[in-house]
Amino acid sequence: SAVISQKPSRDICQRGTSLTIQCQVDSQVTMMFWYRQQPGQSLTLIATANQGSEATYESGFVIDKFPISRPNLTFSTLTVSNMSPEDSSIYLCSATHDREQYFGPGTRLTVT
Amino acid sequence: AQKITQTQPGMFVQEKEAVTLDCTYDTSDPSYGLFWYKQPSSGEMIFLIYQGSYDQQNATEGRYSLNFQKARKSANLVISASQLGDSAMYFCAMREGRSGGSNYKLTFGKGTLLTVNP
Repeated sequence: SAVISQKPSRDICQRGTSLTIQCQVDSQVTMMFWYRQQPGQSLTLIATANQGSEATYESGFVIDKFPISRPNLTFSTLTVSNMSPEDSSIYLCSATHDREQYFGPGTRLTVT
Repeated sequence: AQKITQTQPGMFVQEKEAVTLDCTYDTSDPSYGLFWYKQPSSGEMIFLIYQGSYDQQNATEGRYSLNFQKARKSANLVISASQLGDSAMYFCAMREGRSGGSNYKLTFGKGTLLTVNP
């Protein structure tokens, strides 16, 4: 298995500001991802974090709003930029390990 | 059409009894993987079990087993001997294509809220 940690675990932010979320995996993994879970909803993939290159974004998500870095095989960051109340969600980092896929504990973001 | 369907928004079970959570899926890809996750109120997504489309046997992990019926495209989760700590939201998810391939995206169902009563 893979153990994934995230920080912060939660934050309350003001409209118009940015928050960077960090994700650390306890072993080298090929694929890392960022998901969003809006209140009462299921999970939606934001992007795949590619090591050493630009992230691959899903439809409806753009780099200017959700810049992602992945400097090595165990670490990634997601920034939520110019936040609005609609960005209030749980943001989850995920990684594949063999055939399985694991998630971090999530970052619960509230934008006021 | 939805790729993952969980028809039970909520389920109730008595402690120590078994419960089955339903999941049906839709794909034309012969190679795919099916996942179940548990999400307690804390928000973390806990991996429970994985079933590959070519696996010969149904997956089991402790009290969790996956009732995989390929022809019916169903992948129901069975929890035996329910515990109070099993109360949580449960999500079924699918990844199409072989693991390690380019189709890496997990598609999730809407979830089933399980409540275990004492």
